[in-house]
Amino acid sequence: GAGVSQSPSNKVTEKGKDVELRCDPISGHTALYWYRQSLGQGLEFLIYFQGNSAPDKSGLPSDRFSAERTGGSVSTLTIQRTQQEDSAVYLCASSKWEEHNEQFFGPGTRLTVL
Amino acid sequence: AQTVTQSQPEMSVQEAETVTLSCTYDTSENNYYLFWYKQPPSRQMILVIRQEAYKQQNATENRFSVNFQKAAKSFSLKISDSQLGDTAMYFCAFMEYGNKLVFGAGTILRVKS
Repeated sequence: GAGVSQSPSNKVTEKGKDVELRCDPISGHTALYWYRQSLGQGLEFLIYFQGNSAPDKSGLPSDRFSAERTGGSVSTLTIQRTQQEDSAVYLCASSKWEEHNEQFFGPGTRLTVL
Repeated sequence: AQTVTQSQPEMSVQEAETVTLSCTYDTSENNYYLFWYKQPPSRQMILVIRQEAYKQQNATENRFSVNFQKAAKSFSLKISDSQLGDTAMYFCAFMEYGNKLVFGAGTILRVKS
């Protein structure tokens, strides 16, 4: 079946602009995760959704970052007033709730802030 | 906070030979999961193998096996009969009761023909 999909694959934006990154999880997966992969910080957790609610958003680096999930499916990660340090690959993963230890990752969105 | 340490930034191995990637972690928890993920240049993170801490038997998946030493908090990955397609970045990751993965810095593995 279809895996986790993310769009866009690559995004180049100017400093100060807002961006939206989209994640479409595997059908039937109720848990959804966002991670960020950057040269300076490695791979780090951002936020986790169970259904439409986010029990753990402890990894969001600042209030410029927000995420939502609607219909228990698609999730959008929004970065407002982008900064150069936001440049990274943003990875999304999904899992069945009862199998949260098996997370399936999407191909990521590479964000470049000029 | 949990930490995961991969002390080998880069490794090389000849095709068909065996290589071992190291990983140590720090936690005060008794129940947790450990993982090895592979990330080829395509960026797609692929789960290679996982280990549940309460299981003493080392996990094995075809050519991939782990050496899990709970007391030493060590979790190394052994790749046997290395293939060119094994060339990738390998991440060790930890998950305690909960859902978020904590990753190490990664080890770049190059398989040479």
